Amino acid sequence: SQTIHQWPATLVQPVGSPLSLECTVEGTSNPNLYWYRQAAGRGLQLLFYSVGIGQISSEVPQNLSASRPQDRQFILSSKKLLLSDSGFYLCAFNRAGNTEAFFGQGTRLTVV
Amino acid sequence: RKEVEQDPGPFNVPEGATVAFNCTYSNSASQSFFWYRQDCRKEPKLLMSVYSSGNEDGRFTAQLNRASQYISLLIRDSKLSDSATYLCVVSNSNSGYALNFGKGTSLLVTP
Repeated sequence: SQTIHQWPATLVQPVGSPLSLECTVEGTSNPNLYWYRQAAGRGLQLLFYSVGIGQISSEVPQNLSASRPQDRQFILSSKKLLLSDSGFYLCAFNRAGNTEAFFGQGTRLTVV
Repeated sequence: RKEVEQDPGPFNVPEGATVAFNCTYSNSASQSFFWYRQDCRKEPKLLMSVYSSGNEDGRFTAQLNRASQYISLLIRDSKLSDSATYLCVVSNSNSGYALNFGKGTSLLVTP
């Protein structure tokens, strides 16, 4: 069966520190991969998507970057966190175009 | 204009009530439609896909009107466990078929 793993579940980081969130998918090959952020009281905002290894597209300018070093691995990074980077980060995948997406359990990031 | 707009809610209903959520989308090229459910501080989970002919899954009925760019979700015989935020979602070929989410409508079912 297909599963998605995301870690850590919670993270408290000081302003200016680096960030690395990892997401892996099992049970499927060549998935479309996505990073979303949900700020308090707001909807889910698409940050990055990837349709293949090394292919990253950014939806909004920001302090974050993403990488896909392997087919089923998606990483969200920052060199220096800002207070405004706080939020609930969700990794998701779908198997092909226009199908439902499945989410990891999310990482709740608090930048202090 | 946001791509997906939903009733702001919150909806507070008694157990057993019928409740309806509405949603509109702006991109006429949208190709797939879903309702997701999100519990507090959890990830969204697929509730049901929405098909042009309308579809039903137990107490849940979803409708799609492509001409009006309108999607609905009807919940009959509400249960306490239905309390959650319901997210209207559309997808198209832009952004690698990423899902575009509405802000969600909060439902609280009370005893």
